[in-house]
Amino acid sequence: DGGITQSPKYLFRKEGQNVTLSCEQNLNHDAMYWYRQDPGQGLRLIYYSQIVNDFQKGDIAEGYSVSREKKESFPLTVTSAQKNPTAFYLCASSQSGTGRLEQYFGPGTRLTVT
Amino acid sequence: DQQVKQNSPSLSVQEGRISILNCDYTNSMFDYFLWYKKYPAEGPTFLISISSIKDKNEDGRFTVFLNKSAKHLSLHIVPSQPGDSAVYFCAASPSGGSNYKLTFGKGTLLTVNP
Repeated sequence: DGGITQSPKYLFRKEGQNVTLSCEQNLNHDAMYWYRQDPGQGLRLIYYSQIVNDFQKGDIAEGYSVSREKKESFPLTVTSAQKNPTAFYLCASSQSGTGRLEQYFGPGTRLTVT
Repeated sequence: DQQVKQNSPSLSVQEGRISILNCDYTNSMFDYFLWYKKYPAEGPTFLISISSIKDKNEDGRFTVFLNKSAKHLSLHIVPSQPGDSAVYFCAASPSGGSNYKLTFGKGTLLTVNP
């Protein structure tokens, strides 16, 4: 089955620690994205990558970092510099060059920092 | 500045009736629009999209209408079913160039009562 996997589903960390969230896709999509969702809010874009070894900041990139060493993988690191890291994190992917802009989402990771 | 607005945080409908979810946008560069459905603690699921060359797109029980002059779109679900109860997000993007970013509204919680 093709899809996007995110692990773990729930993650707990102490304040001051960096944490890396995993995102893997086997859809052969070129583009990948990280969003954050807070209660009562829409999805806000953190980082996105259109091709391997390239990525751009989204609307709320401060305190986060990413890498795109493989087409299938786009891990997100939440650093200790992120002031409000507790949130629901969603990874997505899309295919470029088709004229369609649909993004397909993984199941999400709930990060709680105390 | 919110470029995609869903002004109704919630909507309650009887099973079998029509559900109408509304979305307004302010950015004139947006010409591709999408609707996503999201259950709690899960990733959003793509429902239906429309480009600005059309004013209507149908897929089964779901129809999206686009009014470009009013910068307004709506999602109609007919007939509504209890399983449709979820948060619905409207998203928009410019389709030209290499920009694949989606801008999301804050969502509308639809409750379909049996």
